[in-house]
Amino acid sequence: EADIYQTPRYLVIGTGKKITLECSQTMGHDKMYWYQQDPGMELHLIHYSYGVNSTEKGDLSSESTVSRIRTEHFPLTLESARPSHTSQYLCASIAVGRNTEAFFGQGTRLTVV
Amino acid sequence: SQQGEEDPQALSIQEGENATMNCSYKTSINNLQWYRQNSGRGLVHLILIRSNEREKHSGRLRVTLDTSKKSSSLLITASRAADTASYFCATVLTDSWGKFQFGAGTQVVVTP
Repeated sequence: EADIYQTPRYLVIGTGKKITLECSQTMGHDKMYWYQQDPGMELHLIHYSYGVNSTEKGDLSSESTVSRIRTEHFPLTLESARPSHTSQYLCASIAVGRNTEAFFGQGTRLTVV
Repeated sequence: SQQGEEDPQALSIQEGENATMNCSYKTSINNLQWYRQNSGRGLVHLILIRSNEREKHSGRLRVTLDTSKKSSSLLITASRAADTASYFCATVLTDSWGKFQFGAGTQVVVTP
């Protein structure tokens, strides 16, 4: 069982609201990632972090921002949600090493109305 | 475009049959991994194959890797209804290790 948690699991929110999606892991992993995934579609990397105070934008441009103040915590924030942000957001982490697997949270399904 | 591309996009088989799906990638990799995703959930790691390996087994799973063709296959033998899920390949590139690139996935439906 992976020790990586995302909250909330489901969120329905109105346009213009500020939201933060939480992701926490208790495995002490340095590397953490946020992916965006539409139903039945591929995963797109939107943010990643290689450690505390390290954040990078991924391959897919996103209006969201992230922070990494603590190793275990990697929250994603949308300052002003829009319907185009409706999607599933998946958080993942991996341990140090070149041949290690990624552990995923259960995801947050966001709907902006 | 995405580093990894799976085919077929969808596969429907009956219990007991084998399911085979393929993944192609474009650049040099350190390893390739296969993940499974049940509907609306996160991904779960299935198996990892390193760039210097050609074949790997784990239970009913068999993975092959052909670096000359930049392709991998995942075989699920004697499938069960519980194998119904989407399967994704992920590559870890040699020049940006730790950064996973996922394909679009293969949706597998196993009917009893």
